[in-house]
Amino acid sequence: EPEVTQTPSHQVTQMGQEVILRCVPISNHLYFYWYRQILGQKVEFLVSFYNNEISEKSEIFDDQFSVERPDGSNFTLKIRSTKLEDSAMYFCASTGFTDTQYFGPGTRLTVL
Amino acid sequence: DAKTTQPPSMDCAEGRAANLPCNHSTISGNEYVYWYRQIHSQGPQYIIHGLKNNETNEMASLIITEDRKSSTLILPHATLRDTAVYYCIAIQGAQKLVFGQGTRLTINP
Repeated sequence: EPEVTQTPSHQVTQMGQEVILRCVPISNHLYFYWYRQILGQKVEFLVSFYNNEISEKSEIFDDQFSVERPDGSNFTLKIRSTKLEDSAMYFCASTGFTDTQYFGPGTRLTVL
Repeated sequence: DAKTTQPPSMDCAEGRAANLPCNHSTISGNEYVYWYRQIHSQGPQYIIHGLKNNETNEMASLIITEDRKSSTLILPHATLRDTAVYYCIAIQGAQKLVFGQGTRLTINP
């Protein structure tokens, strides 16, 4: 069964460093999403991406964040200058014609 | 998106049916009811969704009231591995999912 994959599973970085989180959505899916979950809190929407552009973003998704689909398979989330409060689980999701979003296992980002 | 209301927690005995309610009284005609669950800090797992009719798949059944103002997710034979937080979300199309606090379901041996 096809699934969304994410790498790395755990990323540790120093405050102020840039990080790139990678996702491989399900093949032939059209919409891509990033969500995050701070420890003990709700899953929060960050951004959605369709047809090579951002279709919606939350107020969390400020200028420090960017997304890219550099090739036909990867979908990345970049945080330019990480802050302590960026520590969270980051989930990628994708959906195709059925509109059902399928999530990856997540990347745990720890900012020191 | 319609707001949904779920009980914060529920318990169920292993082997029994777990029935998780959800209220979505402001749901619009073209919004689907989706159910996801999250086990520990894993990625949310899709369970089932429906518009008007009751639905069943290998994981669960979804019962939607005729007025669509509420629904019930049924796990027919709950196992310990079904212990998770269950989310009921009303959504139209490929819009973002808005997660509430969900229902923390504990399956007891």
